[in-house]
Amino acid sequence: DAGVIQSPRHEVTEMGQEVTLRCKPISGHDYLFWYRQTMMRGLELLIYFNNNVPIDDSGMPEDRFSAKMPNASFSTLKIQPSEPRDSAVYFCASSPMANGQETQYFGPGTRLLVL
Amino acid sequence: KQEVTQIPAALSVPEGENLVLNCSFTDSAIYNLQWFRQDPGKGLTSLLLIQSSQREQTSGRLNASLDKSSGRSTLYIAASQPGDSATYLCAVGDYKLSFGAGTTVTVRA
Repeated sequence: DAGVIQSPRHEVTEMGQEVTLRCKPISGHDYLFWYRQTMMRGLELLIYFNNNVPIDDSGMPEDRFSAKMPNASFSTLKIQPSEPRDSAVYFCASSPMANGQETQYFGPGTRLLVL
Repeated sequence: KQEVTQIPAALSVPEGENLVLNCSFTDSAIYNLQWFRQDPGKGLTSLLLIQSSQREQTSGRLNASLDKSSGRSTLYIAASQPGDSATYLCAVGDYKLSFGAGTTVTVRA
């Protein structure tokens, strides 16, 4: 398996623009997670899905952030409008999560810079 | 809210020395504890997962212990190698993981 795939790997945009990050989880994994990593705050869970349904979005920082999972093989994280403080590395992870005893498999991340 | 702390923040050792990385958490009612490795510019790779009913897990040169009563976990890496240089993160939880800030390890050849 190719692992979790994220695109783009790098994104540079200007403040106010819409940013869309994409993720393809590992086939057969029921859970999908979006994380954000910054030097100041470390690694934070933003939202996670089970069987394409959002379960917990309490980590989403503001209404400017939204996430969707239209099918089992694709998810997006959208920021509209983007701000410089959104600059971070965004990770997607997936897991089979049988009884919560499985680990999470992380993608390589998308490095976002908002100017 | 679960708080996870990792000490030290950075560690530099000569090749062959054993590594000891520490992780502490505030809420002892944890589900799982995991150790991850992160290489620069890369995602996280799971190293070991300790279920709440377990006391330790081992994989090759890696051994992780868990003491829920004291809120601590320790990752031991035996006979360190330059390829072990990376950031090691501790995470606590089941579906929602709370991460520590990590310990950045440098193994000098």
